[in-house]
Amino acid sequence: DTGVSQDPRHKITKRGQNVTFRCDPISEHNRLYWYRQTLGQGPEFLTYFQNEAQLEKSRLLSDRFSAERPKGSFSTLEIQRTEQGDSAMYLCASSLAGRGASYGYTFGSGTRLTVV
Amino acid sequence: DQQVKQNSPSLSVQEGRISILNCDYTNSMFDYFLWYKKYPAEGPTFLISISSIKDKNEDGRFTVFLNKSAKHLSLHIVPSQPGDSAVYFCAASAEYGGTSYGKLTFGQGTILTVHP
Repeated sequence: DTGVSQDPRHKITKRGQNVTFRCDPISEHNRLYWYRQTLGQGPEFLTYFQNEAQLEKSRLLSDRFSAERPKGSFSTLEIQRTEQGDSAMYLCASSLAGRGASYGYTFGSGTRLTVV
Repeated sequence: DQQVKQNSPSLSVQEGRISILNCDYTNSMFDYFLWYKKYPAEGPTFLISISSIKDKNEDGRFTVFLNKSAKHLSLHIVPSQPGDSAVYFCAASAEYGGTSYGKLTFGQGTILTVHP
């Protein structure tokens, strides 16, 4: 169990540029989640995959955001035409379906995005 | 619409004393409640959970209490240690009452500082 890995840890980009983040979940975990956390707030749900299928997207996820999990393993989150309001910590988490919410899930250390 | 609320942004306690962190929720569909702990520059770490069919769950120094009628839960840490200093998030899931994929709704967090 090597944990959930996220890359990069930090990203500074100019407004209007596109950025892509990567998440590698725990290998046997078939559920993968993306959350966003802004200063002084708790993580907010963005989207969820079970295997390669994206099963839910939050209203927070505008059409500038897209997420993929092409082979049911790693996932990418892309933000197009970044805006200053996109500055946040982007967290990825994974879990095993059927294990139940009582076990929680494992978060990565996050990617901190700063849009200047 | 803040469905999970932590009304105390911060809490300061002396080492060895009890820390009590509080959380309120509004959604009656929530049936699992979890506490996460977060250190700076790391992702949240699962601490303890409780099912809505229970009113107490204990794990070592950590005990979570649930009062369903008041839609209130609390985390007790006894005795508190300086290493417990972190941000604590309350989270809730509608695992069986709603879509059963483990989506979590988080509170805003409480910064706990334990002084030696």
